[in-house]
Amino acid sequence: DAGITQSPRYKITETGRQVTLMCHQTWSHSYMFWYRQDLGHGLRLIYYSAAADITDKGEVPDGYVVSRSKTENFPLTLESATRSQTSVYFCASNRASDTQYFGPGTRLTVL
Amino acid sequence: GQQVMQIPQYQHVQEGEDFTTYCNSSTTLSNIQWYKQRPGGHPVFLIQLVKSGEVKKQKRLTFQFGEAKKNSSLHITATQTTDVGTYFCARMDSSYKLIFGSGTRLLVRP
Repeated sequence: DAGITQSPRYKITETGRQVTLMCHQTWSHSYMFWYRQDLGHGLRLIYYSAAADITDKGEVPDGYVVSRSKTENFPLTLESATRSQTSVYFCASNRASDTQYFGPGTRLTVL
Repeated sequence: GQQVMQIPQYQHVQEGEDFTTYCNSSTTLSNIQWYKQRPGGHPVFLIQLVKSGEVKKQKRLTFQFGEAKKNSSLHITATQTTDVGTYFCARMDSSYKLIFGSGTRLLVRP
């Protein structure tokens, strides 16, 4: 688990601001994912990436942008934060059909 | 994609009692994975099941995959306070994305 990190761990921002959440993994996993988890709920996929420069939408992509210029990094940007994007964001990675490893999460509050 | 339904949503047990959570799908699953998330933590992989009727054990945890590969269960024998958390099942689709169930939150009274 120590091989995947997220920053910042906590973030408070205001409505309309742009926010970027960082994710870094050291395993050279091909696949990376961004999930959001709202209080008391399960995990919903925002975006995923099968390799560098390959990204695709998940279940709830609206309002988010991703990029993957390097295999180890997968930043998630909220272009204009809204209160409904207050959530805990988890990054994850895996090799193909292997176990998915999650980062520690970023707790984002949008005021 | 097809959802996986998970029940119950909550389970509050006395320490030492058993606990079971169920995961159901309307379609055949190629695999099912189970994750545990401690309060304030991140999901951690427990196990993956791929074969019809498969049963796997990890100490006090028993995982089953149904014969028709449409359901799965996680059973904990003699719960301990360390078992507290939310247990998620998830299916992996052909793009290696995980589709999670809604989770079962386990609370254990000491």
